[in-house]
Amino acid sequence: DVKVTQSSRYLVKRTGEKVFLECVQDMDHENMFWYRQDPGLGLRLIYFSYDVKMKEKGDIPEGYSVSREKKERFSLILESASTNQTSMYLCAITGDSSYEQYFGPGTRLTVT
Amino acid sequence: QKEVEQDPGPLSVPEGAIVSLNCTYSNSAFQYFMWYRQYSRKGPELLMYTYSSGNKEDGRFTAQVDKSSKYISLFIRDSQPSDSATYLCAMSSSGGSYIPTFGRGTSLIVHP
Repeated sequence: DVKVTQSSRYLVKRTGEKVFLECVQDMDHENMFWYRQDPGLGLRLIYFSYDVKMKEKGDIPEGYSVSREKKERFSLILESASTNQTSMYLCAITGDSSYEQYFGPGTRLTVT
Repeated sequence: QKEVEQDPGPLSVPEGAIVSLNCTYSNSAFQYFMWYRQYSRKGPELLMYTYSSGNKEDGRFTAQVDKSSKYISLFIRDSQPSDSATYLCAMSSSGGSYIPTFGRGTSLIVHP
């Protein structure tokens, strides 16, 4: 079974704080993704990575950065959290067939 | 116009009903068509995929793709309360990054 884990299920942070969300996979796959999911807007791609130290911007990268120092770990960083970044954050990897994505359980982030 | 359109619902049906969930799309390059199921407060999980046109059946679920109409469907037979979830369609083109484009999801409620 594919396992994608995320560091926290629920997180509450204050405006201006630096926030780290971590994703770990056990599949030894190259491709990892960060999405946010909001009611009425669906899933939106923030960043993705094809390999260690490689990253590509998705549709909404503003206000976010990422880090991939090891193959199994992909971190999403909010440099200075703002209330409009309150959302559900989902990490995903692609499986053996590149079209399949496997998602982690999500982190519900609230910025107050 | 969004690349993938999906009615958000909610769709409420009685137990045992046949459910039809649909998505339309505009990008004729899409070749892979996926359906994900997402339970409340969980990450999406891949339910079914279809390559190009045609039907695919898996137990009570049937996925159908009509590329000429740019229309895909997911049918659920003998629906159960445990089918209550949000269903997201996703599509990607062959070649390149395979990054899927998601619909916004349809909320399904199956009541006993």
